[in-house]
Amino acid sequence: GENVEQHPSTLSVQEGDSAVIKCTYSDSASNYFPWYKQELGKRPQLIIDIRSNVGEKKDQRIAVTLNKTAKHFSLHITETQPEDSAVYFCAASKQAAGNKLTFGGGTRVLVKP
Amino acid sequence: GAGVSQSPSNKVTEKGKDVELRCDPISGHTALYWYRQSLGQGLEFLIYFQGNSAPDKSGLPSDRFSAERTGGSVSTLTIQRTQQEDSAVYLCASSTQASSTDTQYFGPGTRLTVL
Repeated sequence: GENVEQHPSTLSVQEGDSAVIKCTYSDSASNYFPWYKQELGKRPQLIIDIRSNVGEKKDQRIAVTLNKTAKHFSLHITETQPEDSAVYFCAASKQAAGNKLTFGGGTRVLVKP
Repeated sequence: GAGVSQSPSNKVTEKGKDVELRCDPISGHTALYWYRQSLGQGLEFLIYFQGNSAPDKSGLPSDRFSAERTGGSVSTLTIQRTQQEDSAVYLCASSTQASSTDTQYFGPGTRLTVL
């Protein structure tokens, strides 16, 4: 089955700096890659996603890049703010598997003011 | 509109007891998923339902776990003879259909503590 690895497990950045989280996946048939943000005690919230026919997607301060050949994708957060502090999860899925998500282990991001 | 809801929000039970966790998906969503999040860990797929098709139970950790979805809407996850290792947050998610790119929306979860 699919395996998703996520790095780093923790990330501390100064407010205003950029944060980058990287994920690799094992199943070349995976074609959907969402990123979820989870604040303490809250439900995971989708922040951005990318389909396999796209190499990059941007939404304000957040961007995701996908390299299908290398089977890795990354989340980029620019101009970080304290409210960006949370745990971020990457995931991968494919239609043949009913779109069930396989998650990475999560990255705890701390933005220091 | 209303999002995915789950009940109870917290459940404390004694080892060996059975528990039932409930999920109300977003109205009109035909796909429903259950995941488990152990303390400080990522999310682990348990089971999913799509319309009237047979559920994909490939993620259930043991035969003590079962789930049903009545009328294509509400789902109940049942854990029999609970063990301490079952302690986790159980999250439900729904999407419009189980195609390759449909967004899954999560509920707030049920925190299960087995004493």
